Amino acid sequence: EVQLVQSGAEVKKPGESLKISCKGSGYSFTSYWIGWVRQMPGKGLEWMGIIYPGDSDTRYSPSFQGQVTISADKSISTAYLQWSSLKASDTAMYYCARLGYGDEAEFDYWGQGTLVTVSS
Amino acid sequence: SYVLTQPPSVSVAPGKTARITCGGNNIGSKSVHWYQQKPGQAPVLVIYYDSDRPSGIPERFSGSNSGNTATLTISRVEAGDEADYYCQVWDSSSDRGVFGTGTKVTVL
Repeated sequence: EVQLVQSGAEVKKPGESLKISCKGSGYSFTSYWIGWVRQMPGKGLEWMGIIYPGDSDTRYSPSFQGQVTISADKSISTAYLQWSSLKASDTAMYYCARLGYGDEAEFDYWGQGTLVTVSS
Repeated sequence: SYVLTQPPSVSVAPGKTARITCGGNNIGSKSVHWYQQKPGQAPVLVIYYDSDRPSGIPERFSGSNSGNTATLTISRVEAGDEADYYCQVWDSSSDRGVFGTGTKVTVL
């Protein structure tokens, strides 16, 4: 059974750093892209970026380029989303999801989400 | 960047048919995926590649895509279908994914 299990909720102050995780199981972790999706409170889904754990090829949406870092450790089947200096506007739910096969693939499996709250 | 436009809300009576549109420039040339998100839950894929259904998704859910509009159709709507629905495509010009604005489906 394919599963993506994300790390727990975080409460941080502006300016702090943060790294959240997404552990995949039940499939070949290095053979599928993993993506991150942001959902701000009461808002819609936003495509942030994706990573191919096999070779760490990474692509960012222009809105998120330079704002976050996506990485992966294939030895432990885990993808990460990282901030170096959080802002209050980073408060949101963050989902990881697996990209299926194909050039225009869908997100076929999703993590449960990690709630990040940034407040002074 | 590529923009996908959905109606903010759709209301439908139980047993009737709900149609949710997703508008985009020449979207018919792209593959469209649809996700259902219930309150407090992660999104779930309900239609992929325009009209395919993942295992476990009822046949009541169907999709079509042509011209500038893709449509998710929910037949014989049930109370449990009440959720937010998002379309998604791959924007080949930027080589990135894009989500639609989302539609809240209310079952009357």
